[in-house]
Amino acid sequence: GAGVSQSPRYKVAKRGQDVALRCDPISGHVSLFWYQQALGQGPEFLTYFQNEAQLDKSGLPSDRFFAERPEGSVSTLKIQRTQQEDSAVYLCASSLTTGNTGELFFGEGSRLTVL
Amino acid sequence: GQNIDQPTEMTATEGAIVQINCTYQTSGFNGLFWYQQHAGEAPTFLSYNVLDGLEEKGRFSSFLSRSKGYSYLLLKELQMKDSASYLCAVGNRGYQKVTFGIGTKLQVIP
Repeated sequence: GAGVSQSPRYKVAKRGQDVALRCDPISGHVSLFWYQQALGQGPEFLTYFQNEAQLDKSGLPSDRFFAERPEGSVSTLKIQRTQQEDSAVYLCASSLTTGNTGELFFGEGSRLTVL
Repeated sequence: GQNIDQPTEMTATEGAIVQINCTYQTSGFNGLFWYQQHAGEAPTFLSYNVLDGLEEKGRFSSFLSRSKGYSYLLLKELQMKDSASYLCAVGNRGYQKVTFGIGTKLQVIP
């Protein structure tokens, strides 16, 4: 596709369940970012990939959060044993350049609601 | 670390001009971005400033003063569709991430 694609768009999970969120970046984009956006807040950085290498995971809130990009393209964000505070929109963004000097192209996001 | 401040809400009239300010504190500044985000949608890129001065792009302009840690986004000839959140974001040398502010929710009224 032409843009960044995320799935599912909406996910409702019971507390304690595991969830997996998928991001399909723009073809050829080197950089891939995951952000978490709570209602009324700006996006909060979670993790960064340059190709398949996870170069920064300093924003992951706990060891329940795990992200991978094994072939340098599609990425998956996994949240284990979900908690209510995990409820948020999870945004994926990709960029043609490395690091933080280029335009970020965002997907529509995956809205996670934990009951 | 980084600290980014911008007003949480603003209201302006259709056809008018509005200026949204952003101040930041960071070590190793590596550029400032503005993004627009309509409710329930993804942020979209508006501008990127790495040098001091004003960059104009149609109805939107962005200004940067690195010595003051200050930027503003200027929107001219406001239209109803400009009602959205405007996110100020900063890049930091030595890190790959872009850090976002809380966003300024702009409401354009007739």
